[in-house]
Amino acid sequence: EAGVTQFPSHSVIEKGQTVTLRCDPISGHDNLYWYRRVMGKEIKFLLHFVKESKQDESGMPNNRFLAERTGGTYSTLKVQPAELEDSGVYFCASSQALPRVGEKLFFGSGTQLSVL
Amino acid sequence: KQEVTQIPAALSVPEGENLVLNCSFTDSAIYNLQWFRQDPGKGLTSLLLIQSSQREQTSGRLNASLDKSSGRSTLYIAASQPGDSATYLCAVGNAGNNRKLIWGLGTSLAVNP
Repeated sequence: EAGVTQFPSHSVIEKGQTVTLRCDPISGHDNLYWYRRVMGKEIKFLLHFVKESKQDESGMPNNRFLAERTGGTYSTLKVQPAELEDSGVYFCASSQALPRVGEKLFFGSGTQLSVL
Repeated sequence: KQEVTQIPAALSVPEGENLVLNCSFTDSAIYNLQWFRQDPGKGLTSLLLIQSSQREQTSGRLNASLDKSSGRSTLYIAASQPGDSATYLCAVGNAGNNRKLIWGLGTSLAVNP
């Protein structure tokens, strides 16, 4: 079974440019999450999709960030325009909540974004 | 506001040792707690998930305990191996919004042959 796939694995852009990150969750997983880790800091929640709907986007830093999940399948996270402080590793995770067992998250390898 | 702290930040041990990683959280009203492992350049792998009503979970050489009242969890690794070298992260799901995990900074573990 394929895991969570993210691409690109690395992206180097200049301040002011636009970057789009993509995440393909595990097939059948309704829940999709975006997290970010800035160097030296804790991993921070960005947002949560249930199928195609945004369930919680309270962690999105500002309106330069736009996340979508087309048809409840893959998701994109666009940063426009990128700023220096947006640099970090962006992780995507998916899950299918199971009664009594709880929700186990499956993470992708992340996209390392460097804004110069 | 929930805060998660992991101690120690880094640990280096010889192969074969039993070791304990610590995680503490400030708000005991949690829904669950998870331990993850991250290898360099890789994603995060869920190791153990403990629901708030549980005291511990075990998987192979790993055992995670949870004491909600004191705001602590420990990850016990028995008979450590070089392959256990990785960063171990603790994440808490709050009772009010368990889908939004709050993370610690992690413990970087090196197991030396």
